[in-house]
Amino acid sequence: SQTIHQWPATLVQPVGSPLSLECTVEGTSNPNLYWYRQAAGRGLQLLFYSVGIGQISSEVPQNLSASRPQDRQFILSSKKLLLSDSGFYLCAWRGRDNSPLHFGNGTRLTVT
Amino acid sequence: AQSVTQPDIHITVSEGASLELRCNYSYGATPYLFWYVQSPGQGLQLLLKYFSGDTLVQGIKGFEAEFKRSQSSFNLRKPSVHWSDAAEYFCAVGAGTSYDKVIFGPGTSLSVIP
Repeated sequence: SQTIHQWPATLVQPVGSPLSLECTVEGTSNPNLYWYRQAAGRGLQLLFYSVGIGQISSEVPQNLSASRPQDRQFILSSKKLLLSDSGFYLCAWRGRDNSPLHFGNGTRLTVT
Repeated sequence: AQSVTQPDIHITVSEGASLELRCNYSYGATPYLFWYVQSPGQGLQLLLKYFSGDTLVQGIKGFEAEFKRSQSSFNLRKPSVHWSDAAEYFCAVGAGTSYDKVIFGPGTSLSVIP
């Protein structure tokens, strides 16, 4: 069966520090991969999605970036974090057969 | 551009009462629609989805949703709410090439009174 791993579960970082969140999927190949952010008390904002290695679609211009160095690995990065980057970050995957999204357990990021 | 609206930010119902959560979408083609539920501090769990076929879709936990193309709506219903249904509910639409882009609504927070 397919599983999605997202880490770390919680992270506290100072303003101006770099960020790297990693997400990996097991048990499937060539998935679509997604990064969402959920600010406190708000909905899910689509940040990036990828339909293949090296293919990244950015939905919101900001100081975050995403990379997909391997088929089942999706990384969210920032060179310098802002206070407004705080939130709950969720990685998700879906198959190519119009299947629904499957979410990881999320990373709670607090920028201080 | 694609969008999803959920008009109700917060809803409170009594246990055993019926529930309807509203969802409206904006998309030029036939959409791929979902409802997800999120418990506090957790990831999202799929309740049900609609892609084609019967416009009344059954999901897990006794939920159902009806797709109405004329109203651009996909409302979620449950005939009798349980206290454990208290959570955040999100409607989402898959759009774009192969429905790759999945946009979520702002969510509706459900509280259940015992």
